[in-house]
Amino acid sequence: EVQLVVSGGGLVQPGRSLRLSCEASGFSFEDYGMHWVRQVPGKGLEWVSRISRTSDSIDYVDSVKGRFVVSRDNAKKALYLQMNSLRPEDTGLYFCAKGYLRGFFDSWGQGTLVTVSS
Amino acid sequence: EIVLTQSPGTLSLSPGERATLSCRASQSVINSYLAWYQQKPGQAPRLLIYGASSRATGIPDRFRGSGSGTDFTLTISRLEPEDFAVYYCQHYDTSPLYTFGQGTRLEIK
Repeated sequence: EVQLVVSGGGLVQPGRSLRLSCEASGFSFEDYGMHWVRQVPGKGLEWVSRISRTSDSIDYVDSVKGRFVVSRDNAKKALYLQMNSLRPEDTGLYFCAKGYLRGFFDSWGQGTLVTVSS
Repeated sequence: EIVLTQSPGTLSLSPGERATLSCRASQSVINSYLAWYQQKPGQAPRLLIYGASSRATGIPDRFRGSGSGTDFTLTISRLEPEDFAVYYCQHYDTSPLYTFGQGTRLEIK
């Protein structure tokens, strides 16, 4: 069974940093692209970032470019999101998701809440 | 940038009824890159349909995806109590890579 366990969320002041982690099990982590998707509580979904299997291809939504860095450690079966210069509009529930057929997300972690507020 | 608009915003139906949810794209999209997700309160989304009409693993056949070009539909043939949730369509393109519709809330009448 695919499991994605997300951690690292919390309350942080604007301008500060936070690092999210996603621990994977139940599948060959090194064979799949991975994603971060966020959701403002009670609102819709927004894709944040993608990293390819070997980390040679990385993409971000425009609103986080230059501030967020996605990375992965295939040996540890772990995905990370380093979030710098956080803004109030970054507040939300952050999910990690397993990529499927390049265009979709077929397994999701439970999400971790990030709150950016002074 | 392709914008996905879902309608209606809220759909109120009874168990056993048929649900029809719409997703309209601002420009023609490649069918193979259109998906539908279900999200229940306090849970992560679940992939239902990919490639516009292919059911994901374990998804019951009462869920059917259809459409092409700019108009896509998710049909739930006979609503079960566990089907009441929020549904999102999603598209894969070039920039941004992945976009979601704003969601349709399917509630019990």
